[in-house]
Amino acid sequence: GDSVTQMEGPVTLSEEAFLTINCTYTATGYPSLFWYVQYPGEGLQLLLKATKADDKGSNKGFEATYRKETTSFHLEKGSVQVSDSAVYFCALNRDDKIIFGKGTRLHILP
Amino acid sequence: DVKVTQSSRYLVKRTGEKVFLECVQDMDHENMFWYRQDPGLGLRLIYFSYDVKMKEKGDIPEGYSVSREKKERFSLILESASTNQTSMYLCASSSGGGPNREQFFGPGTRLTVL
Repeated sequence: GDSVTQMEGPVTLSEEAFLTINCTYTATGYPSLFWYVQYPGEGLQLLLKATKADDKGSNKGFEATYRKETTSFHLEKGSVQVSDSAVYFCALNRDDKIIFGKGTRLHILP
Repeated sequence: DVKVTQSSRYLVKRTGEKVFLECVQDMDHENMFWYRQDPGLGLRLIYFSYDVKMKEKGDIPEGYSVSREKKERFSLILESASTNQTSMYLCASSSGGGPNREQFFGPGTRLTVL
């Protein structure tokens, strides 16, 4: 069945460092891909999405490109801030349901 | 501002109690979902609903039931709570009509069963 695999955390970086969180997926066809973020004490919220191959989603300085050939959707940010500390979930949409990865906890140190 | 609200942020119940978790959305969404979130396991889908009075089992429905009597409200029921149902419960909703629809999440209910 469809699945999402993302790098395990926690990931700890210093402020202004470059961030990459790897995500790969297994799916039939061409699902839409998402990154959700969960800040402490809150529910999940959509960070960015891409609906077809080679699409780039971007928001709040984060970017991810839908790579069909490598079945990947890696999340990147050029310069992280303390306020980016959160749990990040990679996900794909299939038939109005969303399949989530297990999440990657990110800690940013000042 | 669009909203998904959940009836409680924190709940403590005893083993064997019947527990109701309520979720309300104000976006006129067709689809609603219940997940539980556990460390190391991510989000797992319990039940979902595509329309009023409709329900579908997700990946882990055992020990749970749901009710959707009105479009905006989706309730999760633990018929007889057990300690292994201690978890964070998240409700979400989305509009129908295709795979590009994002889900909007409530803030979660942290349930502890003693």
